[in-house]
Amino acid sequence: KAGVTQTPRYLIKTRGQQVTLSCSPISGHRSVSWYQQTPGQGLQFLFEYFSETQRNKGNFPGRFSGRQFSNSRSEMNVSTLELGDSALYLCASSRTGFSHEQYFGPGTRLTVT
Amino acid sequence: AQTVTQSQPEMSVQEAETVTLSCTYDTSESDYYLFWYKQPPSRQMILVIRQEAYKQQNATENRFSVNFQKAAKSFSLKISDSQLGDAAMYFCAYRSALSAGGTSYGKLTFGQGTILTVHP
Repeated sequence: KAGVTQTPRYLIKTRGQQVTLSCSPISGHRSVSWYQQTPGQGLQFLFEYFSETQRNKGNFPGRFSGRQFSNSRSEMNVSTLELGDSALYLCASSRTGFSHEQYFGPGTRLTVT
Repeated sequence: AQTVTQSQPEMSVQEAETVTLSCTYDTSESDYYLFWYKQPPSRQMILVIRQEAYKQQNATENRFSVNFQKAAKSFSLKISDSQLGDAAMYFCAYRSALSAGGTSYGKLTFGQGTILTVHP
């Protein structure tokens, strides 16, 4: 079974631009969560989507948004990029049900210059 | 809000020996899940082991086992017979078991991580 895939793997953007990252979950998984990983703040939860609905959201500004499609693929968008948005963005998927583990993708390394 | 603390920023172990990574957490919930994830230099986060809070028995997965002390809110990971491939950043993570309609609001709260070095 294919794992979680994320595209692109690396991205360089300029401050003020916007960016869209994509995540394809494991087949059969309906929940997708996004995390930001930085050396200073560690791993922080951004949001979770299930059946095209955002169920949970972390403490990030409104510049960070996401969505999920009917095939469970998810995208996250960051508008008006700031230097501090430079990070590894990780996507994780899990099946329906309340006890399932999350499986992570390889991440997208975003650099904002 | 839940917090997870890993007090050991770095640990090292000799190949074939045993090492224990520490994790404590704070929560007011009685039902939750705890996980250890491994993140090698390749950056792919890999699930190592999980523990359900309602289970008294400590989880084991091959060379990996946990010592789950619910009252003390402690969740340590023991790696036996350490191998060079075990070298990675290890994260302890907490997830609430609160659910509605059979689905989970699966936010993971992570500790800061412990870098494990394995010496040949």
